[in-house]
Amino acid sequence: AQSVAQPEDQVNVAEGNPLTVKCTYSVSGNPYLFWYVQYPNRGLQFLLKYITGDNLVKGSYGFEAEFNKSQTSFHLKKPSALVSDSALYLCAVSDTGGFKTIFGAGTRLFVKA
Amino acid sequence: GAVVSQHPSWVICKSGTSVKIECRSLDFQATTMFWYRQFPKQSLMLMATSNEGSKATYEQGVEKDKFLINHASLTLSTLTVTSAHPEDSSFYICSARDFSQTSTDTQYFGPGTRLTVL
Repeated sequence: AQSVAQPEDQVNVAEGNPLTVKCTYSVSGNPYLFWYVQYPNRGLQFLLKYITGDNLVKGSYGFEAEFNKSQTSFHLKKPSALVSDSALYLCAVSDTGGFKTIFGAGTRLFVKA
Repeated sequence: GAVVSQHPSWVICKSGTSVKIECRSLDFQATTMFWYRQFPKQSLMLMATSNEGSKATYEQGVEKDKFLINHASLTLSTLTVTSAHPEDSSFYICSARDFSQTSTDTQYFGPGTRLTVL
């Protein structure tokens, strides 16, 4: 069975500094990996995905994520954080074929001006 | 991208009543939809997989008689919370995949329904 771990409940970053939100996964076969962002009382917004190809994936709003197979990680990064990036970030994994998606516990990002 | 809608966006009901939430894929056919539940400041928990024309598949610990799912057509799935109680208050989110596309990995999420049971 697949699983996702987001070890940090909360990440605090100053505006303009780089940010990293961590995610590790466990899945049989080749993973389909996703990052979503959720603002209060809103649905999920898709940021980026890794299916195959380059390990560095670029997504929406300046976010990127690096797939590391040996460490089974898929950390989300952004070179320069904005206050408006403050939200809940959810890492997700699907099994090969992308049928059922399991979400991590989420990491709340706070960017201080 | 594809659009998934949910109705209502929020609902308040009395304890003991039933509430129906609709999930529609607006511009594609979805043979499979997923229902998630999210408690405040927590992640999404997959409740069930809704299959058009057949019974839903429920995750472990989810009461199928409590949360009735009907996938009546290729664009509509409904979740009915029966005999709702305050502990059922939550944010319910549906998602759908467009399996007609070669890339089946993208999941489209609805905006969510906030259920409050008094």
